[in-house]
Amino acid sequence: DIQMTQSPSSLSASVGDRVTITCRASQSISSYLNWYQQKPGKAPKLLIYTASSLQSGVPSRFSGGGSGTDFTLTISSLQPEDFATYYCQQSYSTPPLTFGGGTKVEIK
Amino acid sequence: EVQLVESGGGLVQPGGSLRLSCAASGFTFSSYDMHWVRQATGKGLEWVSAIGTAGDPYYSGSVKGRFTISRENAKNSLYLQMNSLRAGDTAVYYCARGVRYSSSWYESAFDIWGQGTMVTVSP
Repeated sequence: DIQMTQSPSSLSASVGDRVTITCRASQSISSYLNWYQQKPGKAPKLLIYTASSLQSGVPSRFSGGGSGTDFTLTISSLQPEDFATYYCQQSYSTPPLTFGGGTKVEIK
Repeated sequence: EVQLVESGGGLVQPGGSLRLSCAASGFTFSSYDMHWVRQATGKGLEWVSAIGTAGDPYYSGSVKGRFTISRENAKNSLYLQMNSLRAGDTAVYYCARGVRYSSSWYESAFDIWGQGTMVTVSP
């Protein structure tokens, strides 16, 4: 199984801050990496697919990068509605499809 | 409106069975792979199972041999039959639509999710 490791597991930031979350795969997954946002009590929402493609309707302050084993999700200017937990997910090899452990973005 | 609505969750004893359903609307259900993803309380997301457009099933190792995924395109419905349930299966179960960005079912992302249904396995 491909293991996905996110860092940090949590972070505190202020509105307007630039935030970067890292996801590392245990082996190369090319660009088969997706990012999701989940708010408490809600289903996850797709933000980024194939590492850097922005899902329709997602604000442009979200961006993704990387390939191979190392990936990033960046929020250029954190907004109040962005406080949530973010998950990466590999779609390169299965079964199983695997998620990272999540990064909780909290208000400083 | 594109929508997925799960049902069928509840409390079941260890060793028992439960069948989850997911009703799809607002899109051509038969054209999409469909998935089940679960999340234990306070924990991360775990992929459980998928079914391709041709009805080909796929499972995680933790549920293979105990869970069966199926679909009924005429009813725009996805199912998950869960047998031999364990405490570790306790979670919110989400159905999700898979949108392919390549030729294989797993080269995809989950672009639409249901609201989830809670499954509790306890004596």
